[in-house]
Amino acid sequence: GENVEQHPSTLSVQEGDSAVIKCTYSDSASNYFPWYKQELGKRPQLIIDIRSNVGEKKDQRIAVTLNKTAKHFSLHITETQPEDSAVYFCAASKGGSQGNLIFGKGTKLSVKP
Amino acid sequence: ETGVTQTPRHLVMGMTNKKSLKCEQHLGHNAMYWYKQSAKKPLELMFVYSLEERVENNSVPSRFSPECPNSSHLFLHLHTLQPEDSALYLCASSQVIGGYGYTFGSGTRLTVV
Repeated sequence: GENVEQHPSTLSVQEGDSAVIKCTYSDSASNYFPWYKQELGKRPQLIIDIRSNVGEKKDQRIAVTLNKTAKHFSLHITETQPEDSAVYFCAASKGGSQGNLIFGKGTKLSVKP
Repeated sequence: ETGVTQTPRHLVMGMTNKKSLKCEQHLGHNAMYWYKQSAKKPLELMFVYSLEERVENNSVPSRFSPECPNSSHLFLHLHTLQPEDSALYLCASSQVIGGYGYTFGSGTRLTVV
């Protein structure tokens, strides 16, 4: 079945450094790729998304890139801050099933002050 | 609150009990979802409803029974659960089926004893 692989599972960076999280997907019909941030004890919240007709999207310190040919997409966080510490989930739409989301296993990001 | 409210926040139940989880959204969305979040596992899609009609059931055991009486409310009825069903159950909604801009509820932390 369709799946989304996410790496790394944990990531520790110093405040001010950049963080990159990578995901690959298997469903060639996927056309929507959101990223969610889940702080401890809280709900997942959408932080950025990209559609298959775009290769890159930026929103302040976060950016997402998409390579449709290779079926992978990445989240980039620059100038990391302690409040960026959370679990980040990537997801890909399940294209053939009207696009509900398949999630990666998550990356626990720790930003050390 | 983001507009998706889940109750109860915590639930402890015995394996012979019957209980229900409730989700309510005030965003005017027309698709609603149940996800299961277990430790060290990806978010697992359980059920998808679009305009009160179930459009997907991801091989979920029959001890989980969803109900969607209208586009604003979603229930998950539980009976004769197993300890391995202990998890965080998240409800989400979106404007159209396809996952664009999921909004998650805070979840119900379920413990089966």
